[in-house]
Amino acid sequence: QQQVKQSPQSLIVQKGGISIINCAYENTAFDYFPWYQQFPGKGPALLIAIRPDVSEKKEGRFTISFNKSAKQFSLHIMDSQPGDSATYFCAAVGAAGNKLTFGGGTRVLVKP
Amino acid sequence: EPEVTQTPSHQVTQMGQEVILRCVPISNHLYFYWYRQILGQKVEFLVSFYNNEISEKSEIFDDQFSVERPDGSNFTLKIRSTKLEDSAMYFCAASIQGVRLGYNSPLHFGNGTRLTVT
Repeated sequence: QQQVKQSPQSLIVQKGGISIINCAYENTAFDYFPWYQQFPGKGPALLIAIRPDVSEKKEGRFTISFNKSAKQFSLHIMDSQPGDSATYFCAAVGAAGNKLTFGGGTRVLVKP
Repeated sequence: EPEVTQTPSHQVTQMGQEVILRCVPISNHLYFYWYRQILGQKVEFLVSFYNNEISEKSEIFDDQFSVERPDGSNFTLKIRSTKLEDSAMYFCAASIQGVRLGYNSPLHFGNGTRLTVT
């Protein structure tokens, strides 16, 4: 019940295209959902986050869509750029806890 | 100045040996964490530490693991007797007020220590 399931494991998108990564959770106690971006040789870094009281959060080319009833959320990268090539992790934090539970990660490759 | 600095970047050790992984968070961080990432797999929570004691730990964090903050700046993870399956990238992370405060208290990760157990 503590799991966060993420798909796809990898995706390739052309420059200018849209990258979409999906996550699903079961634990209804989760109440904060950040996305982390990780470049090779680096630690994950906070990219964007959402709480379940809103259905969408947009920051620049990055948008989180959140469906509370379906317990799913997704990251959309609009106008994907080669510099967006990285591994993306969704995560969740529960009301009673103070740790991140990560999804399995998605390796995104943006081709020029 | 990076929020979290980890040393060494890569450590090779023999099975059964003790290793200490070190982390120096920036001074205003109060919550500390260790995560690990086995190559190509997800980032897994090991332990959280606040007010000089463990606040939560996972089933991975057994008696072979320990953490301490000996001098108010360094935060260390010790593995007493390493096993082959301990080979992974270990990330230290820190936040000011705990990750539930979201953007007000983002979790900052170091660049990791790659531990190779032979």
